[in-house]
Amino acid sequence: ELKVEQNPLFLSMQEGKNYTIYCNYSTTSDRLYWYRQDPGKSLESLFVLLSNGAVKQEGRLMASLDTKARLSTLHITAAVHDLSATYFCGGGGADGLTFGKGTHLIIQP
Amino acid sequence: DSGVTQTPKHLITATGQRVTLRCSPRSGDLSVYWYQQSLDQGLQFLIQYYNGEERAKGNILERFSAQQFPDLHSELNLSSLELGDSALYFCASSVGGAWQETQYFGPGTRLLVL
Repeated sequence: ELKVEQNPLFLSMQEGKNYTIYCNYSTTSDRLYWYRQDPGKSLESLFVLLSNGAVKQEGRLMASLDTKARLSTLHITAAVHDLSATYFCGGGGADGLTFGKGTHLIIQP
Repeated sequence: DSGVTQTPKHLITATGQRVTLRCSPRSGDLSVYWYQQSLDQGLQFLIQYYNGEERAKGNILERFSAQQFPDLHSELNLSSLELGDSALYFCASSVGGAWQETQYFGPGTRLLVL
């Protein structure tokens, strides 16, 4: 059974700083997803990573996947307040998707 | 706005009751996914339908069932409700049935079981 662990679970940072959220998973996963959720809102798909070494970037967010280490990272560059949200990673195969507990990110001006 | 609609937005009911949650996917999307989000269990995948057929099953309880109709909308039926079923239920849709596709999430139905 796939287990997904995110860390940190809570992160408070200042605008302009860089930081990385880590997502470890326990067994082989065909793919790795990153989602964003604003308070009281639905989920928004950010990235789908399919292969070892995959890197995707959108604005100040960059996600990467290392399947050998069973690790994905979400890197935030020069954080801005609008990026405050909860970020989930998830992995899985043909039988579904398992999520981490989420990283609650607060970016202070 | 993702284009995925869910009704109702809020639902309050009592233990032992049965409710039906409805999801309409984006125009042209053939797959519908259901998820449950609660403080206890976190975010969990429940079930996927593709073009009317069940495609993948996750942590869905036997008291829960789902179906996708010919017009591609989907319903999630929750029966013999318990307090622990209180949660936010999301549906998502994607164009095809492949998991590597981007999923677009609806606004969710917040269920409270009293």
